Amino acid sequence: AQKVTQAQTEISVVEKEDVTLDCVYETRDTTYYLFWYKQPPSGELVFLIRRNSFDEQNEISGRYSWNFQKSTSSFNFTITASQVVDSAVYFCALSATDSWGKLQFGAGTQVVVTP
Amino acid sequence: DGGITQSPKYLFRKEGQNVTLSCEQNLNHDAMYWYRQDPGQGLRLIYYSQIVNDFQKGDIAEGYSVSREKKESFPLTVTSAQKNPTAFYLCASSIDHTAYEQYFGPGTRLTVT
Repeated sequence: AQKVTQAQTEISVVEKEDVTLDCVYETRDTTYYLFWYKQPPSGELVFLIRRNSFDEQNEISGRYSWNFQKSTSSFNFTITASQVVDSAVYFCALSATDSWGKLQFGAGTQVVVTP
Repeated sequence: DGGITQSPKYLFRKEGQNVTLSCEQNLNHDAMYWYRQDPGQGLRLIYYSQIVNDFQKGDIAEGYSVSREKKESFPLTVTSAQKNPTAFYLCASSIDHTAYEQYFGPGTRLTVT
């Protein structure tokens, strides 16, 4: 069975502060993929990143960065110098290679950035 | 522009009526998915289809039905057997059924009274 836990229900920050979203996963599979999606108030999920279980390199994309640690089964996401447009719900998701593409989502973390 | 369209954005129905939600994609993706999202919760998989004329039940398929007669289309019918149909429904597609990223449509918010 696969499980994704996002323990933070909501995080509120003031603009320009950094914010880190935690994601902890459980799987018995040795090969799997991890994802982050953003859901703005409009409702549509926007794909942010895909990481496979063999690639533990951290990744940076603009103000976004991801820290994958297999030893702790975590795939954390940091937004640097947050902006109001970053206000959204962020979901972490897991897919094993033999699960036919099915994604197991966490409950999501609501990020509120105030000016 | 390539993408996924879902219509309508908002849908209202009376209890006991079946309702069909539309999902169309022009990304030439083989795999398509339907998810349900309830307030404050993550997405749960209803049905998925890896290729045309084939589909599989997800985690919460009871009270729902789908068809996949064309590659571009994957409509979802919410039947009267679904006990709590009011929710936000999201359709997604991916290149194939392996672990590629899924791309989502704008969603349909269904309210049943």
